[in-house]
Amino acid sequence: QVQLVQSGAEVRKPGSSVNISCKASGDTFTSHTISWVRRAPGQGLEWMGKIIPVLGITNYAQKFQGRVTIIADKPTNTVFMVVTRLRPQDTAVYFCAREILVGRNWLDPWGQGTLVTVSS
Amino acid sequence: DIQMTQSPSSVSASVGDRVTITCRASQGIGSWLAWYQQKPGQAPRLLIYASSSLQSGVPSRFSGSGSGTEFSLTISGLQPEDFATYYCQQANSLPWTFGQGTKVEIK
Repeated sequence: QVQLVQSGAEVRKPGSSVNISCKASGDTFTSHTISWVRRAPGQGLEWMGKIIPVLGITNYAQKFQGRVTIIADKPTNTVFMVVTRLRPQDTAVYFCAREILVGRNWLDPWGQGTLVTVSS
Repeated sequence: DIQMTQSPSSVSASVGDRVTITCRASQGIGSWLAWYQQKPGQAPRLLIYASSSLQSGVPSRFSGSGSGTEFSLTISGLQPEDFATYYCQQANSLPWTFGQGTKVEIK
């Protein structure tokens, strides 16, 4: 049973960057896609982008194009997401999730979440 | 992008009640809809995929239906552990989009 374990909470100043990791255990993720989703305070869930680790192919929501980079390190079964030019509105809990293919791609399981606080 | 609209935004119910949450897509998405449950401080959990398929390990009191633009999630016989926020998500086309959430609260 695959588990996704994310890195710990981060505090950043506006204009800086943050790197969040998502490590798979219990299974390799090379044949699966990993998505990133965030939930800002008082807001709903927002999909940011995804990567197919075995191919290194990424796809980003237009809103995050140019500011978010998702990469995979296959030997360590870890996916990283870098968010640059942070602003206070990026304060959120960030989740990684594996996509399972049953007709279409569904998000299961999810990592435990990483709180990123952007404040001066 | 496909817009997903859930209703109601919150519902108060008692243990044992039947609760139905509705999700509407801004364009047809076939049956490519999922429902997730999220409790405070926890990650979302997949309950239903492809509109009506129950994810492994999810109690049978959860059921989903619908196609095209109108979908629903029903909880038959609400249990204490079901008080949470529920989200719908379309998987028809990128970007994946979610409804704004429905909070199920204790009456």
